[in-house]
This record gives sequence, structure tokens and C-alpha cells, in this order.
Amino acid sequence: NAGVTQTPKFQVLKTGQSMTLQCAQDMNHNSMYWYRQDPGMGLRLIYYSASEGTTDKGEVPNGYNVSRLNKREFSLRLESAAPSQTSVYFCASRALDRGSTEAFFGQGTRLTVV
Amino acid sequence: EDQVTQSPEALRLQEGESSSLNCSYTVSGLRGLFWYRQDPGKGPEFLFTLYSAGEEKEKERLKATLTKKESFLHITAPKPEDSATYLCAVRGILHTGRRALTFGSGTRLQVQP
Repeated sequence: NAGVTQTPKFQVLKTGQSMTLQCAQDMNHNSMYWYRQDPGMGLRLIYYSASEGTTDKGEVPNGYNVSRLNKREFSLRLESAAPSQTSVYFCASRALDRGSTEAFFGQGTRLTVV
Repeated sequence: EDQVTQSPEALRLQEGESSSLNCSYTVSGLRGLFWYRQDPGKGPEFLFTLYSAGEEKEKERLKATLTKKESFLHITAPKPEDSATYLCAVRGILHTGRRALTFGSGTRLQVQP
């Protein structure tokens, strides 16, 4: 049981380049999330998808776009990367986007923008 | 906008030296407080969910408790393998008005043999 799988694990981009971070879950969860983690700031929500076919902005959405491709997959796109987007990105999933069900996280993508 | 504050930022213990980590929160209607463990270079791993004040949960050397304003993660007789960053989160309200998991910045625990 793989859980939440993220690709790639590491990436270096030049300012202005674009890329897509991929995330897939095999737990049949309805809700999926993208977070970024920066030193001293904790995990901050970028975008989420409460269910297949819906997406919504989180706390820090500027500079990002998302696509909920199907129930399993939720991708995060940086259209024009900036140094401020250097961070560790985590994808997570939950059975439902309500109540007290726990979130399961992937292993992260470490992105450096130079 | 709801908030989660964790203290201390870092904690160094000797093996066997018990201590507690604190998570203070302000949230409009608690719908679960979550504790996660994060090892370097890895994603957060779920530990506990607490639902209401007075609730307690245990797992090996860890015990989580909850009051109306804060949660504690008690570590009894820690071992070096307990070294990790411990994250606290609540299902709070973002500045957008939507409800989502809001995380604290974590406590980095180091247990020395």
C-alpha cells in the first residue's frame, strides 16, 4: 500500500521556468491538499480539492495552479517559478474534507528556484 | 483566522528524561486536534486525534491530552528514536473563511543517548 506518492522528490528550476508537481493516492480518499513547508513557518495550505471536480484556494495560492485530474491524482503547477517558491512541497489526502479524519502525507518534493 | 502556536521550538533531552510539548490554539469550534511526527526529509506521520477537552490518547511513550485552549504531548522516558519534529494542527478557519487544517510550526525534539 503506497499511500500518497509524490514526484519528483527533488527539483532545481531557474527563475521563470515552469513545472508540475505530481501527486497520487491509492486510499480512495475524496479530498487532496497541497502544502508548502518553510523553516519556522509550519505547513501552509496552497490549494485543496474537497472532492473530485472541485478545487479551492488555501492560505498561499498566488503563483500556483492545480488540477484534480481524477479521484487519485492532484497536480500542482508553477507557471513561472520565483525564488520565493523555494520550499518543500507536500501533498496530502483525507477520506473527507470535514470532521476529524486524519490527513496522510507524501514524502515531499524539495524545490529550489535559482 | 484561527491559529496554532507550539512551544518550545526546540527541546533537547537525555534518554529517559521525560518532558512535555505544548500546543496552544484558538479556533472557532474545534473539530479535532491532530498530532503528527515528522522525521528529517520525510512527510508528517499521523499520531493522534483528540476531539474534546479532557480526552487523552496514548501510544508507546507518547501521551496526548487536550484542554479547551491547549494540548500537551507528554513523552515518558524517551529514547533516541523519538527524535523528530512534532507538529500540532487543528481544523481551523483560514483568512479566506474556509475551514482547513491549520498547523503550528512544530517542536524539534532531540533525545541524546
